[in-house]
Amino acid sequence: AQTVTQSQPEMSVQEAETVTLSCTYDTSESDYYLFWYKQPPSRQMILVIRQEAYKQQNATENRFSVNFQKAAKSFSLKISDSQLGDAAMYFCAYRSAMNYGGSQGNLIFGKGTKLSVKP
Amino acid sequence: DAGITQSPRYKITETGRQVTLMCHQTWSHSYMFWYRQDLGHGLRLIYYSAAADITDKGEVPDGYVVSRSKTENFPLTLESATRSQTSVYFCASRDTYNSPLHFGNGTRLTVT
Repeated sequence: AQTVTQSQPEMSVQEAETVTLSCTYDTSESDYYLFWYKQPPSRQMILVIRQEAYKQQNATENRFSVNFQKAAKSFSLKISDSQLGDAAMYFCAYRSAMNYGGSQGNLIFGKGTKLSVKP
Repeated sequence: DAGITQSPRYKITETGRQVTLMCHQTWSHSYMFWYRQDLGHGLRLIYYSAAADITDKGEVPDGYVVSRSKTENFPLTLESATRSQTSVYFCASRDTYNSPLHFGNGTRLTVT
């Protein structure tokens, strides 16, 4: 079974600085997707970034970028020029690219990292 | 408005009562999911559905029942609520297997 581990329950960053959130995962599959979701206090789940395992190039969305290390099974999220609005829970998630065992592409989530941004 | 909506947003119920959480999506997405979110656990899958009348258990299905008679609706029922079912519940939907997952805004359920 696949697992996702976020080893940092809480992180803090100064406004305008850079922070990196860690995520590791365990799988025997070769084809899969990885995601970072942001959950602000409003409770809404917002997709931040998505990475296909077959792509070596790291995904980037504006100030958000990932460091995808497939061999190490690591998928960290870097937030540059942190803003107050970045304060939220961040979840790393894994999904098979194939419908193994009829899972219908269920997302497997880590436990989350709570990010605080200091003004 | 198009989207996925959950109701109610907040619900307080007593132990032993039956409660149903509603989920409605306007896209006619094939896939729908129910997750629960608990501190220290992230989101865990309760049930999922690949199409109308097709449902299957996820990681934590005990104490829950789902149905999907129409593509757009996927209600989650707690047949006899327990305090351990106090949680935030998220419904999500997806069009095709590889499409992005869209989440509702969640229902915070408190069982007293």
